[in-house]
Amino acid sequence: AQTVTQSQPEMSVQEAETVTLSCTYDTSESNYYLFWYKQPPSRQMILVIRQEAYKQQNATENRFSVNFQKAAKSFSLKISDSQLGDTAMYFCAFIYTGTASKLTFGTGTRLQVTL
Amino acid sequence: DTGVSQDPRHKITKRGQNVTFRCDPISEHNRLYWYRQTLGQGPEFLTYFQNEAQLEKSRLLSDRFSAERPKGSFSTLEIQRTEQGDSAMYLCASSLPGGDPEQYFGPGTRLTVT
Repeated sequence: AQTVTQSQPEMSVQEAETVTLSCTYDTSESNYYLFWYKQPPSRQMILVIRQEAYKQQNATENRFSVNFQKAAKSFSLKISDSQLGDTAMYFCAFIYTGTASKLTFGTGTRLQVTL
Repeated sequence: DTGVSQDPRHKITKRGQNVTFRCDPISEHNRLYWYRQTLGQGPEFLTYFQNEAQLEKSRLLSDRFSAERPKGSFSTLEIQRTEQGDSAMYLCASSLPGGDPEQYFGPGTRLTVT
């Protein structure tokens, strides 16, 4: 069974600064995807960025980038030039590509962006 | 709006009552998922449909829970004899056929059992 661990329950960053959210996972599978989802207060969850395990190059999406360390089973999210709209819960999630069924989520990190 | 929709958005019920939630996925998505999210936790998988077939159920889905997707379009999740421990956000998600694993989430139904 897969497990996803987010060890930072809450984080705070000032506007325009950079913040890194941590995620580790455990799996015996070799083919999988990792995701970071964002859940703003009282709004629905949206995908921030995705990483395919077989790709060595780290994914980037505008101000969001990941540091994927497959051997260490680590998948951190870096947010550059933080904006007030980045305030949200951030969830790291894993899915095995064999069945492409359930996502396994971490417990989340609450990020507060301040002025 | 062509996203995933859920109805109702909020439901307050008394312990012992039955409740039913509805999810309408994105129209071209043949996969539909239900998750439960309790306060301070990440979503937990409940069940998954491909078209009208229910392919996987979590052990979290007790006998009081049942989900259907009769025509492969919308889905319903029913909870019978609700308990206070059922209070949670129930999230629905859908995804494209062909193996793309990205799931698109609805706004959720928040259930409060008093």
